[in-house]
Amino acid sequence: DMKVTQMPRYLIKRMGENVLLECGQDMSHETMYWYRQDPGLGLQLIYISYDVDSNSEGDIPKGYRVSRKKREHFSLILDSAKTNQTSVYFCASSPGQGDTEVFFGKGTRLTVV
Amino acid sequence: GDSVTQKQGQVTLSEDDFLFINCTYSTTTYPTLLWYVQYPGQGPQLLLKVTTANNKGISRGFEATYDKGTTSFHLQKASVQESDSAVYFCALVGPGTGSNRLTFGKGTKFSLIP
Repeated sequence: DMKVTQMPRYLIKRMGENVLLECGQDMSHETMYWYRQDPGLGLQLIYISYDVDSNSEGDIPKGYRVSRKKREHFSLILDSAKTNQTSVYFCASSPGQGDTEVFFGKGTRLTVV
Repeated sequence: GDSVTQKQGQVTLSEDDFLFINCTYSTTTYPTLLWYVQYPGQGPQLLLKVTTANNKGISRGFEATYDKGTTSFHLQKASVQESDSAVYFCALVGPGTGSNRLTFGKGTKFSLIP
């Protein structure tokens, strides 16, 4: 069964703590993404990864960094989390260039207090 | 740069009513336009794709069309049911052909009148 798996699903962190969100996919997709979703703002692209160690900034990369050391795994790191990073984070993957079928995980709800 | 505007934040209808959601887009290339649907507790999933080649997409009773003259694209369904309650996002592939990037609208939440 093709899927994108995100861990954890729910997370509460204190302001200033480091946060690691993990994502895996079992479809051998080249491209992976991190989006955040906020009410009234839709989905905003944080980072896109075209393959291992080939990452590019999305539209809102500030305050985030990513790591992709294996094709099937893509991590989002928040160094010193801020309250305005409270959001639902979605990882996604797609097969490659120009393919519009993007598969999303179920999301991680992060609360920074 | 590429952009997509989805102004309807919420739509509420009665069962069997006609659903119509509209987006406008801006791009310098031939557009590939998408509709994604997100059910509660889930990530978005692809519902329909429309390109300049096919002008129309149909899936699960939904129909998507686009109008190049007004740079708009629409999602419609003739008779909505409770199971259609979800958030619908329009999206534009780009910038550029062959791109992996999607630009999403802000989403339209559809629900039935209780």
